[in-house]
Amino acid sequence: QVQLVQSGAEVKKPGASVKLSCKASGYTFSNSYIHWVRQAPGQGLEWMGVINPSDGSTTHTQKFQGRVAMANNTSTSTVYMELSSLRSEDTAIYYCARGYYEGLDFWGPGTLVTVSS
Amino acid sequence: SSELTQDPAVSVALGQTVRITCQGDILRSYYASWYQQKPGQAPVLVIYGQNDRPSGIPDRFSGSSSRNTASLTIAGAQAEDEADYYCNSRDSSGNHLLFGGGTKVTVL
Repeated sequence: QVQLVQSGAEVKKPGASVKLSCKASGYTFSNSYIHWVRQAPGQGLEWMGVINPSDGSTTHTQKFQGRVAMANNTSTSTVYMELSSLRSEDTAIYYCARGYYEGLDFWGPGTLVTVSS
Repeated sequence: SSELTQDPAVSVALGQTVRITCQGDILRSYYASWYQQKPGQAPVLVIYGQNDRPSGIPDRFSGSSSRNTASLTIAGAQAEDEADYYCNSRDSSGNHLLFGGGTKVTVL
């Protein structure tokens, strides 16, 4: 069965960086894109970006230009997302999810990132 | 523009039918997908493509689309259907995704 296991909660100070992981299992890792979506407290879903594990190519929304980096390790079927220059508005649950047509068919449980001085 | 608009909230009586809409010009080009999210949980895909349901999703959930509007219908709403529902699709570049603002469904 498809599973996405995400790393544990993080607490960071403003200006710091955070690196999250998402380990996939139950399917051929290179065959499906992995997306990152975040949700601020009490807010809606916000798409951040996507990585193609087969070649490591990425794209992300302009909002995170210069602050987000995604990478993957095919030997461990793990995707990473690093967000830098953190500010309080980055406090959110960060989800990884598998791409399927225009949608996302399997989601990780989410990682809570808290940015606070 | 690449935006998806949803009504913030809707209510439905137990056992009745509710339709949730998602509007955006991009829906003339791409299908919408729909997600159910309950408090403290990750979203769950309930409809994708023209009107496809992932395994395990009850058949009371269905999707449709007309011009710039996609709809999710819950026929015979159950108490467990009370949740936030989000639509998503691709943006005009085709390479990025975007989400609607979400609709809170209350089952009375």
